[in-house]
Order: sequence, then structure tokens, then C-alpha cells
Amino acid sequence: DGGITQSPKYLFRKEGQNVTLSCEQNLNHDAMYWYRQDPGQGLRLIYYSQIVNDFQKGDIAEGYSVSREKKESFPLTVTSAQKNPTAFYLCASSMTEYEQYFGPGTRLTVT
Amino acid sequence: KNQVEQSPQSLIILEGKNCTLQCNYTVSPFSNLRWYKQDTGRGPVSLTIMTFSENTKSNGRYTATLDADTKQSSLHITASQLSDSASYICVVSARTSGTYKYIFGTGTRLKVLA
Repeated sequence: DGGITQSPKYLFRKEGQNVTLSCEQNLNHDAMYWYRQDPGQGLRLIYYSQIVNDFQKGDIAEGYSVSREKKESFPLTVTSAQKNPTAFYLCASSMTEYEQYFGPGTRLTVT
Repeated sequence: KNQVEQSPQSLIILEGKNCTLQCNYTVSPFSNLRWYKQDTGRGPVSLTIMTFSENTKSNGRYTATLDADTKQSSLHITASQLSDSASYICVVSARTSGTYKYIFGTGTRLKVLA
């Protein structure tokens, strides 16, 4: 899991509520990423940030929002607009394209 | 379309046996290829990374090969152990216009039985 922490490990929310997933890294990496993992599918990119105060949408950004106010932190908010939010969420960071370190993940269940 | 395909989807072997997982990709322009091991409910952990000029890389009992001409990679696991039970994910990086993109395969789920 390297120097990336995600919290909490499990998260339960009622439908219609926004929820924020935490991601912190102490690797001094410039780039950070959020992925969603569903059974039988590859990791899908939600958002990524290559420098502080800048981020770009990934392939499935609808219903999600992020911020990058500090180099170490890249929180992800799952909004009520996300139609199928139940999934395993993974945060990652990298300094170059040759390495990408993943956090332990947060399993979000929305009922 | 950039794509990474892995086979088989799942595999069951007996402890001590060897196995080989496959990864075929259509990614351009190719930058590097990585294999990750992901235990259930955990984040992926890197096993190997290979660039265009490398055709084999080992990490203990794990050996990855890359054929850039046929756009194929394999991960060979020697003398499997129960702890090898996990999903193995192939990831290919593409670099375009100064930025890079990661394309993930859907993984091979390996089960090692005693």
C-alpha cells in the first residue's frame, strides 16, 4: 500500500447523501488519481490531478467531484447525482509514468 | 481504441504448480507495461514494469515477458503458493502530447489450492 492512506475502509450511506472519501500520500508525488473498481471490470479513471489546484476529468467523472488544495491530499466526493455509487474506490499517486502506487481502497455501499 | 485484454479470466491450480497468465494489448503509443497483484479487498501492488526495450523482468517467483512486436505479455508464476491467490492485473501506459494514460485489463483471478 506504500505511503498512501485511504479512509475509511468501509463506508455506508443512504441514497441521496453526498459522501467524501479521503486519500492522503506522503510520497511527495505530484500526480494523484481516483479509480472505481467493479466486479469483472478493469479499473476506471474518475479524476486525476497532476499538480496542486488543478485536476482533470477521467472517463467516468459524472456524479463525482474532487479538490487538490494540498499536494498530499486528493479527496473524492460522491454526490447524489452518481447513479450507481456502490463500488470499490482506489486512490493512486505517481511521480513518473513508470510507477503508480495504490492505496488500500474504500468500499462504499449506498442503500 | 486502446485496449488491454487478459486471459484466462480465472484459473485454479494446485500448490507448487506453475502457471502463466496472458495479456494482449492494442495501445499506442506504447510507453510501458506493468503487472500488479491485487488481494481481495486490497489495493493493487506492483510486481514488474517493462519498457519497450525490455523483454523479460523477474521479481522472485514472478517472471514477466514482453513481446512488443506482437503486443503480448505474460506473467509466469513458479512453484505457486497459497498466498499467490489473488487477481493479477496488466496495465499498459500510453504517452501522448506530454501526458500519459493508463489502460487497465480486467484481471485474471488465480486460486491456488492446497
